[in-house]
Amino acid sequence: GAGVSQSPSNKVTEKGKDVELRCDPISGHTALYWYRQSLGQGLEFLIYFQGNSAPDKSGLPSDRFSAERTGGSVSTLTIQRTQQEDSAVYLCASTTGGFNNEQFFGPGTRLTVL
Amino acid sequence: TQLLEQSPQFLSIQEGENLTVYCNSSSVFSSLQWYRQEPGEGPVLLVTVVTGGEVKKLKRLTFQFGDARKDSSLHITAAQPGDTGLYLCAGLSGGSNYKLTFGKGTLLTVNP
Repeated sequence: GAGVSQSPSNKVTEKGKDVELRCDPISGHTALYWYRQSLGQGLEFLIYFQGNSAPDKSGLPSDRFSAERTGGSVSTLTIQRTQQEDSAVYLCASTTGGFNNEQFFGPGTRLTVL
Repeated sequence: TQLLEQSPQFLSIQEGENLTVYCNSSSVFSSLQWYRQEPGEGPVLLVTVVTGGEVKKLKRLTFQFGDARKDSSLHITAAQPGDTGLYLCAGLSGGSNYKLTFGKGTLLTVNP
């Protein structure tokens, strides 16, 4: 069975440009997370989607960041007017939301803002 | 903000040696997970511990959850080069049933 996939795997952009990162979760998983992992840092929670509930956006660092999850499946993280400090690996994870909350991670998108 | 402190940050050992990495917090967690992440990949769950004092074994890996559910340790016996990776602990706080707090990780290198 397919795992979580993310695209692109690498993205290089210029400061000020907008970028879109895509996540395809495991089929049937109702919950989806986005995290940011900077060099030497742990995973920073960005946003959480669960079914049809309102997403938890409490981790988004600024209003330049937004995310959507269409049809309860694919999710897109959009960063507008990118800044150099946005450079990081962006990880997506999906889960059934069971008690142990095992999260299945994609390979990430490495974003470099020049 | 609940923080998880991991130590050591970096560890380089020879094949066959034993090691322990630690995950500490001043906060209580309802459960704690350990993940391993290899370069270019996402983290993969190794174990979840829930009960204070709980010990779980996964082949050569032994995980322990502190009695007060504020800390955890991972012990690897006879390390192998395949154990190389970033080990992350993540805690699920009592106030949330979905938001994990991650430590910064321990980068382990096992040299042949």
